[in-house]
Amino acid sequence: ILNVEQSPQSLHVQEGDSTNFTCSFPSSNFYALHWYRWETAKSPKALFVMTLNGDEKKKGRISATLNTKEGYSYLYIKGSQPEDSATYLCAHIPDTGNQFYFGTGTSLTVIP
Amino acid sequence: NAGVTQTPKFRILKIGQSMTLQCTQDMNHNYMYWYRQDPGMGLKLIYYSVGAGITDKGEVPNGYNVSRSTTEDFPLRLELAAPSQTSVYFCASRVTTGSGNTIYFGEGSWLTVV
Repeated sequence: ILNVEQSPQSLHVQEGDSTNFTCSFPSSNFYALHWYRWETAKSPKALFVMTLNGDEKKKGRISATLNTKEGYSYLYIKGSQPEDSATYLCAHIPDTGNQFYFGTGTSLTVIP
Repeated sequence: NAGVTQTPKFRILKIGQSMTLQCTQDMNHNYMYWYRQDPGMGLKLIYYSVGAGITDKGEVPNGYNVSRSTTEDFPLRLELAAPSQTSVYFCASRVTTGSGNTIYFGEGSWLTVV
């Protein structure tokens, strides 16, 4: 079992604020890192797939970076909107490539 | 395109009863997974399958069984239900081990054991 940790556990921000959160994973055993967005009463949907140290991905106002040497990834949201409210999950895939190990998620609430 | 379909969506079981959570996907994915999600605990892998006829244990397999007789279906069996199995269960699939291939989740099954 590989520990994947996310922080903070929850976050409340005002509309228009920018925010970021962290996913930490074991750096010794790495294949890929995925970010998922999980809205209440729905199923998680993929945001980003990251595989190489130094990867940066962007989708609209959301971006992510990856540091495989130190075992962390950051997710950034610029100018948060109420529709960004969701739980953001990261998943670490070790070098077998078969299993996904999910963090507990960061719950983001954007207050209008 | 249906994607990953789970049934039932909600179920209440009595302690000691058995049931099967059904999962089917129509994307011809070879990898399928069952996760459970407990409050504040994130998603924990119960069982997974890399193809028809092949299954393997995940992090929390005790109290569950699976089978994979076809590519499409991956049912999860609960034998002798216990209150500790009260949870939300997610079935998921992906096409291959390629790093770029993400997981597709079903809508979840809410199970309460009383």
